[in-house]
Amino acid sequence: DIQMTQSPSSLSAFVGDRVTITCRASQSISTYLNWYQQKPGKAPKHLIYAASILQSGVPSRFSGGGSGTDFTLTISSLQPEDFATYYCQQSYSTILTFGGGTKLQIK
Amino acid sequence: EVQLVQSGAELKKPGESLRISCKGSGYIFTNYWISWVRQMPGKGLEWMGKINPTDSHTNYSPSFQGHVTISTDKSVSTAFLYWSSLKASDTAIYYCGRHAYGGTFFEDYWGQGTLVTVSS
Repeated sequence: DIQMTQSPSSLSAFVGDRVTITCRASQSISTYLNWYQQKPGKAPKHLIYAASILQSGVPSRFSGGGSGTDFTLTISSLQPEDFATYYCQQSYSTILTFGGGTKLQIK
Repeated sequence: EVQLVQSGAELKKPGESLRISCKGSGYIFTNYWISWVRQMPGKGLEWMGKINPTDSHTNYSPSFQGHVTISTDKSVSTAFLYWSSLKASDTAIYYCGRHAYGGTFFEDYWGQGTLVTVSS
């Protein structure tokens, strides 16, 4: 399996802050990288695919980058509704895998 | 409107069998694979496997291969996740997702989740 490692595992920030979450793959996955947001008690929501392409309807304050083994999810100006847990996922392999998640909390 | 609607919460005993379901609507069911994802209490997402509703071809994560069975009935646009003998460690929320392609694969629509509780 391709292992996905996210950092940090948790993060506290203020509304209006710029935050970046990182995701590292155990081998090169080109840009086969997705990001999801999950709020408590809810199903995941797809945010970004192909490392940097925003899913329709996702606010432009979200952006993704990277290729190979190192990827980032950046939120340019945190809004109250952005406090959630974020997961990366690789789809390079037929067997997909998620990162461990990053819990973004309000400071 | 694309929707995936999952079956309701289940309370089962260890050793019992269980099948949960995920019904797709608002799209051509056979055009998209369906994935299943586990979330144990207070933990992260774990991708379990996927199925092609057209021919029932499956891919399983090694962590779940042999422990669960994924199937579909395309006549009713429904995917299933089956356990023949549940364990307490199967207690989790299980989500189905529509496995889409846009240059890469991803789950673009999700079911609401099914809580499975296994307890004696």
